[in-house]
Amino acid sequence: GAVVSQHPSRVICKSGTSVKIECRSLDFQATTMFWYRQFPKQSLMLMATSNEGSKATYEQGVEKDKFLINHASLTLSTLTVTSAHPEDSSFYICSARQGNTIYFGEGSWLTVV
Amino acid sequence: AQSVTQPDIHITVSEGASLELRCNYSYGATPYLFWYVQSPGQGLQLLLKYFSGDTLVQGIKGFEAEFKRSQSSFNLRKPSVHWSDAAEYFCAVAIGVFNEKLTFGTGTRLTIIP
Repeated sequence: GAVVSQHPSRVICKSGTSVKIECRSLDFQATTMFWYRQFPKQSLMLMATSNEGSKATYEQGVEKDKFLINHASLTLSTLTVTSAHPEDSSFYICSARQGNTIYFGEGSWLTVV
Repeated sequence: AQSVTQPDIHITVSEGASLELRCNYSYGATPYLFWYVQSPGQGLQLLLKYFSGDTLVQGIKGFEAEFKRSQSSFNLRKPSVHWSDAAEYFCAVAIGVFNEKLTFGTGTRLTIIP
């Protein structure tokens, strides 16, 4: 079964609105989770590291005020895309490590219209 | 900086034929290496991983990969592909203090023909 779960799997939102994506670790605690983005026909790129109880660490070129990350508990990290634009349409996927294995969520397809 | 190269963007293989997907990495320390598969419209599924020990790693769905330090390679192989293997395959190297962040290659799209 799934070790890391994401919700929603698909979401459509209007330009200018905000949308939240959840990433949950199931049956284990993850003090650190990771958010990746994948544009169509491209590879996955790390966006940020979500740290439980502290601020997220963003990769170069990722706007922290646009992509808000909250890691309020040991099993939940959320990514909020604020003031979404069509160019934010992408596949967003999170990961967490359990032991020596890095598990990914199912991913979330965001379409901004 | 670390990097992963997958030289083949697209590979077409006949069903039942053998498969090898290439992956080369550049990383200063001992690499933790992964192969993931992504079916259309789906998330990532872990096929196999290498941390240490035996350089030939067995994974799920009949896949295996061999770590060759001298060649900085971690090629994925399968002796006989099935139509359901058609997907995008990503090689990745783990980085960071706890090897939790992944740097991905650009992926190889596998097409299976009858």
